[in-house]
Amino acid sequence: KAGVTQTPRYLIKTRGQQVTLSCSPISGHRSVSWYQQTPGQGLQFLFEYFSETQRNKGNFPGRFSGRQFSNSRSEMNVSTLELGDSALYLCASSLGVGAGQPQHFGDGTRLSIL
Amino acid sequence: AQSVTQLGSHVSVSEGALVLLRCNYSSSVPPYLFWYVQYPNQGLQLLLKYTTGATLVKGINGFEAEFKKSETSFHLTKPSAHMSDAAEYFCAVRTDPRGNLIFGKGTKLSVKP
Repeated sequence: KAGVTQTPRYLIKTRGQQVTLSCSPISGHRSVSWYQQTPGQGLQFLFEYFSETQRNKGNFPGRFSGRQFSNSRSEMNVSTLELGDSALYLCASSLGVGAGQPQHFGDGTRLSIL
Repeated sequence: AQSVTQLGSHVSVSEGALVLLRCNYSSSVPPYLFWYVQYPNQGLQLLLKYTTGATLVKGINGFEAEFKKSETSFHLTKPSAHMSDAAEYFCAVRTDPRGNLIFGKGTKLSVKP
């Protein structure tokens, strides 16, 4: 069974640009969550989608947005990139939305802002 | 509000020695607890989880963790460290379906030959 696939793996952008990251969940998984990982702040929750609806959102500015498609694939978008957005962005999928449902992570997209 | 504290950002053990990574959580309701491992340039891999029932949970790669409600702890152990265990380990808590997974800051485990 294929795992969570994130594309691209690496991305370099400049300040002010925008970026779109993609996540394909494990087949049959309907919940997708996104996290930002940085050395200083650790793992921070961005948002969670289930059945194309955003269920939960972390404490990030409106420049960070996401969506989920009918096939459960998800994208996140960051507009007007800032140097501080440099991070590893991780996507995780789970079968459902129960609190005990384990999340399965992709290998991430490493975003570097110049 | 929930929170997770991992004591020790770096832990070093010798190959064959006991591994003990500490995790304490704060939650006003029964928590669901998880341990993840992250190898360099990779995502997080689930090691084990506690939901309900038996408080001693066995996971992959010989790891186990014990949920102690009275101590609000969920420490991760492995009887004998292997070089391949060198990685960063994250403890996480979630209390309700509407809430998100809260991670600790992580503990980097080094294994000396």
